[in-house]
Amino acid sequence: GDSVTQMEGPVTLSEEAFLTINCTYTATGYPSLFWYVQYPGEGLQLLLKATKADDKGSNKGFEATYRKETTSFHLEKGSVQVSDSAVYFCALSDRNTGGFKTIFGAGTRLFVKA
Amino acid sequence: NAGVTQTPKFQVLKTGQSMTLQCAQDMNHEYMSWYRQDPGMGLRLIHYSVGAGITDQGEVPNGYNVSRSTTEDFPLRLLSAAPSQTSVYFCASSRGRAIGGNTIYFGEGSWLTVV
Repeated sequence: GDSVTQMEGPVTLSEEAFLTINCTYTATGYPSLFWYVQYPGEGLQLLLKATKADDKGSNKGFEATYRKETTSFHLEKGSVQVSDSAVYFCALSDRNTGGFKTIFGAGTRLFVKA
Repeated sequence: NAGVTQTPKFQVLKTGQSMTLQCAQDMNHEYMSWYRQDPGMGLRLIHYSVGAGITDQGEVPNGYNVSRSTTEDFPLRLLSAAPSQTSVYFCASSRGRAIGGNTIYFGEGSWLTVV
């Protein structure tokens, strides 16, 4: 079945450092790819998404590019802030069925130190 | 702008007790679902619904029941609580089928402890 694999955390960075969180996927169809973020004590919220190969999703300085050839969707940010401390989830869903069967990775916790 | 509302936020149950987690959304979304979040395992789908009167099982449905009598509400029932059901539960909703996939909107979570 479909699956998502993320790098294990926690990831600890100093403020203004460069961030990469790796995500690879396995899918039988042609999925849409998502990054969700969970701040402490809250539910998940969409950070960015990409719906076809070579698309780049971006939001709040975060970027991820849909790489079909390497089945990857790595999250990057050029300069992290303390407020970026959260858990980040990579996810996929079938492009034709909507969001109700979205599959999530295990999540990567990010700590950013001042 | 309420979005997805879950209650209660925290609950402690004794083994064998039953309870219902309530979920309501005010966005007129067709799809609703329940996930549980456990350390190191991400979110796992328990049950989902693609519209009023229609429900189906997700990855980990055992020990849980759902119903969808209205578009807005999607309660999750624990029939006989077990310690293995200690988890954080998230209700979520999204619009109906659309090419390219839909954004999921999550509630704030319900922390459940079974002792």
